Amino acid sequence: QSALTQPASVSGSPGQSITISCTGSSSDVGGYNYVSWYQQHPGKAPKFMIYEVNNRPSGVPDRFSGSKSGNTASLTISGLQAEDEADYYCSSYSYITSATYVFGTGTKVTLL
Amino acid sequence: EAQLVESGGGLVQPGGSLRLSCAASGFSFSSHWMSWVRQAPGKGLEWMANIKPDGSHKNYVDSVRGRFTISRDNTKNSLFLQMDSLRAEDAALYYCVRDISWGFDSWGQGTLVTVSS
Repeated sequence: QSALTQPASVSGSPGQSITISCTGSSSDVGGYNYVSWYQQHPGKAPKFMIYEVNNRPSGVPDRFSGSKSGNTASLTISGLQAEDEADYYCSSYSYITSATYVFGTGTKVTLL
Repeated sequence: EAQLVESGGGLVQPGGSLRLSCAASGFSFSSHWMSWVRQAPGKGLEWMANIKPDGSHKNYVDSVRGRFTISRDNTKNSLFLQMDSLRAEDAALYYCVRDISWGFDSWGQGTLVTVSS
């Protein structure tokens, strides 16, 4: 049950697009279309941003999109805005000997 | 709108026990899987355990299996986490979370657990 691997930091200028990767294995990311993404501002609880790889909950801007290829999932933020500066975590359903969930190591998004 | 309010955190000595509670409102609690997720200070998120709507099935991360027990009382719209044999590395902010579509859509504000002698 090792954490999924994310880059520690990603930066971009306002209006640009950035992509955050989330790498796991065939027991989690690669084996199921059950990847979700969360945004967390300092001192706040995480916010649900993407579910089942590429679906947005109601109220999440369409600037946020998800995808997956093999054992790696990705979150893309298009048209970067100041309020997007936050920590982002991926998560995946995982099954090795039992059903569990695993989170990614987290990525800090910084605006230049 | 779903609301989740955790309580029960505090300071406990290594080897001690603590019982966390979560009061749910604004949704049909008895219809949802529920989870506990923790976050150590300055660190990332870690999923701990979840429980089926009727309480008949529970899953745990390896690091807490046998020490922590998740339970629920659907008559009181409440979720619990009994934590025994606590270690320094269990110190964290513990979130009560609603499971939905293989993700976690509603989060409480968390309750802080400190493990220290």
